[in-house]
This record gives sequence, structure tokens and C-alpha cells, in this order.
Amino acid sequence: DTAVSQTPKYLVTQMGNDKSIKCEQNLGHDTMYWYKQDSKKFLKIMFSYNNKELIINETVPNRFSPKSPDKAHLNLHINSLELGDSAVYFCAAAAGGFGKQFFGPGTRLTVL
Amino acid sequence: AQKITQTQPGMFVQEKEAVTLDCTYDTSDQSYGLFWYKQPSSGEMIFLIYQGSYDEQNATEGRYSLNFQKARKSANLVISASQLGDSAMYFCAMREEGFYGNNRLAFGKGNQVVVIP
Repeated sequence: DTAVSQTPKYLVTQMGNDKSIKCEQNLGHDTMYWYKQDSKKFLKIMFSYNNKELIINETVPNRFSPKSPDKAHLNLHINSLELGDSAVYFCAAAAGGFGKQFFGPGTRLTVL
Repeated sequence: AQKITQTQPGMFVQEKEAVTLDCTYDTSDQSYGLFWYKQPSSGEMIFLIYQGSYDEQNATEGRYSLNFQKARKSANLVISASQLGDSAMYFCAMREEGFYGNNRLAFGKGNQVVVIP
């Protein structure tokens, strides 16, 4: 069983489109995160949710909107995609925010 | 300011030898956590090992051990008996602890390791 899963694994789209990435975890953890890994492999936090409540919102354009329908899911919606949004997006889950963070397989987003 | 520093260039290591990956961190918190993750060419982030700032013993997980030197603010990863499958990018990360749920990982830039037969 995959602990943290993301769909899709690859996403290729045109500039200006709107797209969503889904994340689900079956660990029973109550904190979930989105990280972005740029072309130089640098990873940076974008958002964190604890029990469906937004806790961390880094300096991310408001074209990015996370949504957590329940504790097991944290989706990322991106409006008006730009070339600079091309990256790998990782979802992660941790127990209580203090525990080890387990990552999903990543979604490679390419904006043309 | 960069909180996690990994400065080694790409490393080549002979199979079955040990390799040490350096990581230094910067924090004024008393309570924090240090992690190492492995990212193979397939792209997933694999948790390797964790060290809490109050842990007195160095963490070990199989062939992985963490050489934690708190006064020096270093958390080096040691991989013993390298295998070809250890070829990957390795990331050091520090958990910055805020209020409940407000914990994030700050990552270093990574070390590329290539194991040669």
C-alpha cells in the first residue's frame, strides 16, 4: 500500500491553463504539506494543513490554492499556469506536525 | 539566510566503501529535528534517518548513521558498505518547530552520490 500517493505523476499543459494535483495519504496523519522542487533540485515548502486547517502559507502566488476536503487529502489547484510553475511538486504527510514527513512520489509539471 | 548547508560537490564512491555526507545547520531553537532523505533518479523522496535535537545517541538505521555534533551544528550522514543502489541525490533537512502543525522542513541543496563498481 502506498502511504502517500499523488496524481497525476506527469502533467504537461499550456500556459494560461488551470490544473489540479491530488494527494492522498493512508497513514492516518493529520498534517499534510506541499513542497516545490525547482529545476536545480531545491525543495521549498509551499503550504501545510493540519486537520483540514491551513497552517503554513509561504510566499506563493495566489494562483496556487490548496484544498483539504478531509484529513487524508490535500489537493493543489493552480490557475493561469506560467512557465515558471514548471517544477516537481511533492505532497508529504506527518503525524501531528512533529513527526517524520513522508513524501509522495511527486508530480512533474511542465508548462509549455 | 540559508539554514541547511551541504557544500560537497558530486561524489564518486567505490562499491562497499563508506561515504560521509556533510551537513551543517543554523538555528537558534533548542528543539529541532534533522532528517536525511534520498532521491534516486526515479524522483521519489525516501526518508532515511532522523535525529532529534535532544537525542543523546546518534541515530542509526541499518547502513545509515547520523553523526550528530550539536555544538558544531553538524549532522553528517554516513553510509556504510555502499551499494550501487545508493547512487542518488541526498538531502539534509531541518524541521523548524513552530506551534502545533506549523512545522516545516528546510532543505539543503543536496549531495549527488555515484557509487561505482
